[in-house]
Amino acid sequence: QSALTQPASVSGSPGQSITISCTGTNGDIGGYSYVSWYQQHPGKAPKLMIYDVVNRPSGVSDRFSGSQSGNMASLTISGLQPEDEADYYCTSYVRNSILVFGGGTRLTVL
Amino acid sequence: QVQLVQSGSELKKSGASVKISCKASGYSFTSYGVNWVRQAPGQGLEWMGRINTNTGIPTYAQGFTGRFVFSLDTSVGAAYLQITSLRAEDTAVYYCGRVGYASGNRWIDPWGQGTLITVSS
Repeated sequence: QSALTQPASVSGSPGQSITISCTGTNGDIGGYSYVSWYQQHPGKAPKLMIYDVVNRPSGVSDRFSGSQSGNMASLTISGLQPEDEADYYCTSYVRNSILVFGGGTRLTVL
Repeated sequence: QVQLVQSGSELKKSGASVKISCKASGYSFTSYGVNWVRQAPGQGLEWMGRINTNTGIPTYAQGFTGRFVFSLDTSVGAAYLQITSLRAEDTAVYYCGRVGYASGNRWIDPWGQGTLITVSS
């Protein structure tokens, strides 16, 4: 199973909005609506930010939102804050309990 | 609260074996599977597989068959990852993470704090 494709890096200034894309295939993203997103700060464990494409767990800021169109999912962060600077990973369900991760995107808040 | 606590860092010689524990609390352990994820130094997250905590049946990702074994001790609510014949390229942080949805492996939440395994020659 090939990894999902994410941009290596994105950047934005405080207060701006950014979008991170995650591209897969009909066999993963396009075949299901089971995309999740994780935030990882250096030296820390990943944290779930979005599940099932659009849902935010309790406690996650509503500045984070997710969407999907065909084989591509997106994570949008609005009103960028310095603490949003981190690595972000997308994941999709594939089949038979199998998951696949994206390569990760480093977000820099300028 | 729901949490997973992993065992501590280990330094191992090439060829040795290591067993990482992941102890769950705050929920019914056999109702949610456990995923294992590897992160090599400076690299991204890589899904290794998952174990069904109700049946004990593991699912391994490509590249993680043979030397990697998932197991359980349901009496104490713990999952284990054993790696045999360690190689330098096994040096990584290993995370366990709970299957987020009882009826399917759709997301991972919460995650353990990670266990650093360093393999030296």
